[in-house]
Amino acid sequence: GAVVSQHPSRVICKSGTSVKIECRSLDFQATTMFWYRQFPKKSLMLMATSNEGSKATYEQGVEKDKFLINHASLTLSTLTVTSAHPEDSSFYICSALTGLAGEADTQYFGPGTRLTVL
Amino acid sequence: EDQVTQSPEALRLQEGESSSLNCSYTVSGLRGLFWYRQDPGKGPEFLFTLYSAGEEKEKERLKATLTKKESFLHITAPKPEDSATYLCAVNRPGGSQGNLIFGKGTKLSVKP
Repeated sequence: GAVVSQHPSRVICKSGTSVKIECRSLDFQATTMFWYRQFPKKSLMLMATSNEGSKATYEQGVEKDKFLINHASLTLSTLTVTSAHPEDSSFYICSALTGLAGEADTQYFGPGTRLTVL
Repeated sequence: EDQVTQSPEALRLQEGESSSLNCSYTVSGLRGLFWYRQDPGKGPEFLFTLYSAGEEKEKERLKATLTKKESFLHITAPKPEDSATYLCAVNRPGGSQGNLIFGKGTKLSVKP
């Protein structure tokens, strides 16, 4: 299956600072990537859809000025949590569509990034 | 309201004890149903995609089936390494490609 990586896997930062998380498709080109947030023992919550070369589409209730998404190439999308606060602490996961025939809607997920804001 | 419901929330099995996980959905115009496995502290791992009622897919000890209202993930003779949370998802009606609605998952524990 397709491989998606994330970096860093864990990050601890102070309140008020910004944190950037990278999501890369390693063996395919991804025109569409997704960013999710997952709270303990809860399912995945879609935050935004990231399309290469265009602005991200944010889900209702997600602050686009706080969660900046950039998809500058076909293999890289970044999520920047600006002015992070303790309530932003969570597990952030990205995914990507391969666009291959027969799996047009199948998302492949990265390993996730655990963000802790002190 | 479009919804995906998984049951049971948690399932404990003995090694070798076969069982099934359920995913029921109420979305109209299903465009795809997806099964993922998630280990603690990791991202979901893709298992299967099902598109139409009657479709079945298998991978090792896992078999996924689909009807017009629900999907089952059958686990045959499970091993401890099958312990994980299994997530079900469907395409969000009217949503863009890949926009999924996830269920809350079934946490499977297999004891040796």
